[in-house]
Amino acid sequence: AQKITQTQPGMFVQEKEAVTLDCTYDTSDQSYGLFWYKQPSSGEMIFLIYQGSYDEQNATEGRYSLNFQKARKSANLVISASQLGDSAMYFCAMRGPNYGGSQGNLIFGKGTKLSVKP
Amino acid sequence: KAGVTQTPRYLIKTRGQQVTLSCSPISGHRSVSWYQQTPGQGLQFLFEYFSETQRNKGNFPGRFSGRQFSNSRSEMNVSTLELGDSALYLCASSLETEKDTQYFGPGTRLTVL
Repeated sequence: AQKITQTQPGMFVQEKEAVTLDCTYDTSDQSYGLFWYKQPSSGEMIFLIYQGSYDEQNATEGRYSLNFQKARKSANLVISASQLGDSAMYFCAMRGPNYGGSQGNLIFGKGTKLSVKP
Repeated sequence: KAGVTQTPRYLIKTRGQQVTLSCSPISGHRSVSWYQQTPGQGLQFLFEYFSETQRNKGNFPGRFSGRQFSNSRSEMNVSTLELGDSALYLCASSLETEKDTQYFGPGTRLTVL
């Protein structure tokens, strides 16, 4: 079965510094997708970044980058130059198996609560 | 382009009642998925609809049901509410293919008393 593990329940980072949020995954599939979402206290899940298992380059989106190490099955999120607005829950997710024509649902980790200090 | 919208944003119900939540996907998105988020269980997949057909379902009791209309809007229904159904219910929409990202709405926070 597929599984996402986020071992950091909470983290603090100083404003303007970089921070790495850890994510490891388990799957027997050769083709899979990994996602990171941000959830502020308002509740909405905001898509940040996507990495496909066959992508040779690490994904980047503005201040977000994904450190993808396939052999170690890790997909860590790096946020550069943290801002106060980055304080939120961060979820790593993997797309589950697709069958019956389904796209495959997202399987989420437990999340990491990031707090940015001024 | 407008994002995913969900109504209502907040609901308070009592045990035994039923509730219907609504989700309007991003224009052009045909796949709608529903997730339940609780402090104890985290984010769990409920079901996915595409072209008015349920094509994937999570491990939830039959009290949880859904449907999708021809305009891709979706509703989910929970009958005979239990205290444990209190949660944030999130709807996500996406295009059709496996690689497509799911974009989430703001959620409906349901409280069962």
